[in-house]
Amino acid sequence: DADVTQTPRNRITKTGKRIMLECSQTKGHDRMYWYRQDPGLGLRLIYYSFDVKDINKGEISDGYSVSRQAQAKFSLSLESAIPNQTALYFCATSDFTGGGDTQYFGPGTRLTVL
Amino acid sequence: AQSVTQLGSHVSVSEGALVLLRCNYSSSVPPYLFWYVQYPNQGLQLLLKYTTGATLVKGINGFEAEFKKSETSFHLTKPSAHMSDAAEYFCAVSDLGGGSNYKLTFGKGTLLTVNP
Repeated sequence: DADVTQTPRNRITKTGKRIMLECSQTKGHDRMYWYRQDPGLGLRLIYYSFDVKDINKGEISDGYSVSRQAQAKFSLSLESAIPNQTALYFCATSDFTGGGDTQYFGPGTRLTVL
Repeated sequence: AQSVTQLGSHVSVSEGALVLLRCNYSSSVPPYLFWYVQYPNQGLQLLLKYTTGATLVKGINGFEAEFKKSETSFHLTKPSAHMSDAAEYFCAVSDLGGGSNYKLTFGKGTLLTVNP
């Protein structure tokens, strides 16, 4: 079984709808991240959480919110989806080792907002 | 603030040829440097990373990269390309943003095509 899972894998929705993307991990890591990937732009950090009570905005958090329900679960919500949020979304986890932490990525969720 | 520049959004090589993917970074403090690979329809996986110590780092699948502080570079190489190397490659830098606030900043990626 995969260590980092994301649901759904694909989602098509309409402008204005609320959407939740879910991430679960079995690696036992404290740190979790949400990124979006757009062609030609690489990965950009949306939110990150260093433990259940510590949630931080990344570089592109506007229009998104997150919830860390447990050490193993980190959800990303789009309160009112808009077409420019069409992208590939990745969840990642890491374990703090004093720097140079390796991040482990889920398979991604492809979101299309019409 | 840290940043990463990957020179060439698309690199094409012949099977058996040298692979060279370029990465330059800027960082206000000594960085940690990474190369990740993304195969079609998959998430990213770590190829190799530099933290401290030896500046030539060996990774999976025959890839290696050399940290050159004077050139602020961390180029990825493989002596002989294989068809299975076709993927998108991302360079990333992590440095201390305050406290234990290590975060990754990614380059925009280089798509590697391998021709038979």
